[in-house]
Amino acid sequence: AQKITQTQPGMFVQEKEAVTLDCTYDTSDPSYGLFWYKQPSSGEMIFLIYQGSYDQQNATEGRYSLNFQKARKSANLVISASQLGDSAMYFCAMRRNTGFQKLVFGTGTRLLVSP
Amino acid sequence: DTEVTQTPKHLVMGMTNKKSLKCEQHMGHRAMYWYKQKAKKPPELMFVYSYEKLSINESVPSRFSPECPNSSLLNLHLHALQPEDSALYLCASSQGGTEKETQYFGPGTRLLVL
Repeated sequence: AQKITQTQPGMFVQEKEAVTLDCTYDTSDPSYGLFWYKQPSSGEMIFLIYQGSYDQQNATEGRYSLNFQKARKSANLVISASQLGDSAMYFCAMRRNTGFQKLVFGTGTRLLVSP
Repeated sequence: DTEVTQTPKHLVMGMTNKKSLKCEQHMGHRAMYWYKQKAKKPPELMFVYSYEKLSINESVPSRFSPECPNSSLLNLHLHALQPEDSALYLCASSQGGTEKETQYFGPGTRLLVL
């Protein structure tokens, strides 16, 4: 079975600072994908970044980067230069890389960016 | 364009009503998903359609009936729901058959069952 753990229910950061959201996972699958999604209060799940289990380099997408440490089974999201619009719920998720598989989500971290 | 659309945005229904949720994507994706998200919880998978055929049903009660009329459309028919079925219903789609595929979500339908 796959499991995602997000231990930070809430995080606060000041505008323009960097913030790290933690995610650890557990799986026995050799091939899997790790994802981060942002969910504003409007409800839509917005895809941010993807990391494959066999990728050698950490993924980056603009201000988002994923600190992937396979041996420690962690996939932390780093947001650089935080903006007020980054205030939202952030979910870490994983999926097996075979067939049409479901996303398994963590419990989420609520990020609040203050001016 | 990674747009998935869902209608309606909000829905209030009684326990004896029949209603349908609609999801549409025009990205040529071959897999479509329904997730249910209760307040302050993460989304949970309900159904997966791949190539217009139901491939995963996560033991969802029969009062929820999915339908995939074509590769771009996904419906969720609702009948005799319970108040505990009130939730945000999210539709997603993905390309299908690729290792790095990503699920793209619609804005969701907020359902209230009275």
